[in-house]
Amino acid sequence: NAGVTQTPKFQVLKTGQSMTLQCAQDMNHEYMSWYRQDPGMGLRLIHYSVGAGITDQGEVPNGYNVSRSTTEDFPLRLLSAAPSQTSVYFCASSYSRGGEQYFGPGTRLTVT
Amino acid sequence: AQKVTQAQTEISVVEKEDVTLDCVYETRDTTYYLFWYKQPPSGELVFLIRRNSFDEQNEISGRYSWNFQKSTSSFNFTITASQVVDSAVYFCALSEWGSRLTFGEGTQLTVNP
Repeated sequence: NAGVTQTPKFQVLKTGQSMTLQCAQDMNHEYMSWYRQDPGMGLRLIHYSVGAGITDQGEVPNGYNVSRSTTEDFPLRLLSAAPSQTSVYFCASSYSRGGEQYFGPGTRLTVT
Repeated sequence: AQKVTQAQTEISVVEKEDVTLDCVYETRDTTYYLFWYKQPPSGELVFLIRRNSFDEQNEISGRYSWNFQKSTSSFNFTITASQVVDSAVYFCALSEWGSRLTFGEGTQLTVNP
């Protein structure tokens, strides 16, 4: 099993550009989430999904879109990048409510 | 709303010392889950432990131990005989609905040789 994979590992964007961060898992987990990590603020939930076709907002959803067309994939779209979105992004998956979340290696995004 | 507080931003110890990382949480639910994750300098997040709200037994895993006390809403983590490889940021997290984790701000532990 590859676990949770994320691409790219690093990305630099200019303000206003859009892009998609990819996340995939091969553990057949229903639950998937996106977090961002900023210095001194821990990890904050952006969006999450409890199964294919079902998504919901987390704590900091503005400026991001998600969709879940398959169990395996949960891409995160930045619609119009802003410097405030400079962060490290982690995708996670879990086998059940209350189960431990398995995290991907992260994507370091810089918006100039 | 759920909240996790890790009051210790940074801790520095000398190798072989014992160290306790504090975690205090807030929730209105009776069913919830508590977690600890480790983030070494390489940046990945490593799961350490999961505890549900109905299981207050303390747990020991090698040099690691966890003390869960519902009466004080705390879930503290102790490393016995710390080692340099324990240097990392440690996060406590709370989940009320399973798939949504709320993290504390993390404690940076530095173990000096």
